[in-house]
Amino acid sequence: SQTIHQWPATLVQPVGSPLSLECTVEGTSNPNLYWYRQAAGRGLQLLFYSVGIGQISSEVPQNLSASRPQDRQFILSSKKLLLSDSGFYLCASPTSGGGAGELFFGEGSRLTVL
Amino acid sequence: SQQGEEDPQALSIQEGENATMNCSYKTSINNLQWYRQNSGRGLVHLILIRSNEREKHSGRLRVTLDTSKKSSSLLITASRAADTASYFCATGKGGSEKLVFGKGTKLTVNP
Repeated sequence: SQTIHQWPATLVQPVGSPLSLECTVEGTSNPNLYWYRQAAGRGLQLLFYSVGIGQISSEVPQNLSASRPQDRQFILSSKKLLLSDSGFYLCASPTSGGGAGELFFGEGSRLTVL
Repeated sequence: SQQGEEDPQALSIQEGENATMNCSYKTSINNLQWYRQNSGRGLVHLILIRSNEREKHSGRLRVTLDTSKKSSSLLITASRAADTASYFCATGKGGSEKLVFGKGTKLTVNP
């Protein structure tokens, strides 16, 4: 069955520190992966999407970057965190067998920048 | 800017009552989807309605779509305390899988 593993689940980091959030996908042959951020009261914002290894598209200019080192691995990074980077980060992939654009989400990583 | 906007932002009802949430969007769509998010968890896909459909049912869920008004509604009948969650509508950009989500409706069902 389709699963998305995200870690760490929670993270508290000081301003200016680096960040690495990892997402690993299993049980799907669709290569597309997505990073969304959910800030308080702002809904979900698409940050990055990837259609394959080394292929990353950024949706909004920001302090974050993403990488796809392996087919089933998607990493969200920052060299220096800002307070505004706090939020709930969700990795998603198209639902296995969906075909119409439904997304399957991981359980998220909650980042608090102090 | 957000494609989908849910209304109301928050809704509190008693168990057994029906809950209706609305979603408005701005551009043409291929389909509209509804998702549910329990507090602190990831989103779960509930139901998808295509642009050529007007109504769709799944268990206690009923979704309508009015493309002329660019709006959709999600009805949860005979609500339960376990339905307490945030509900989001999402639309695709030109039919791609890059979904754009609204801010959601936070539903509280009181036992």
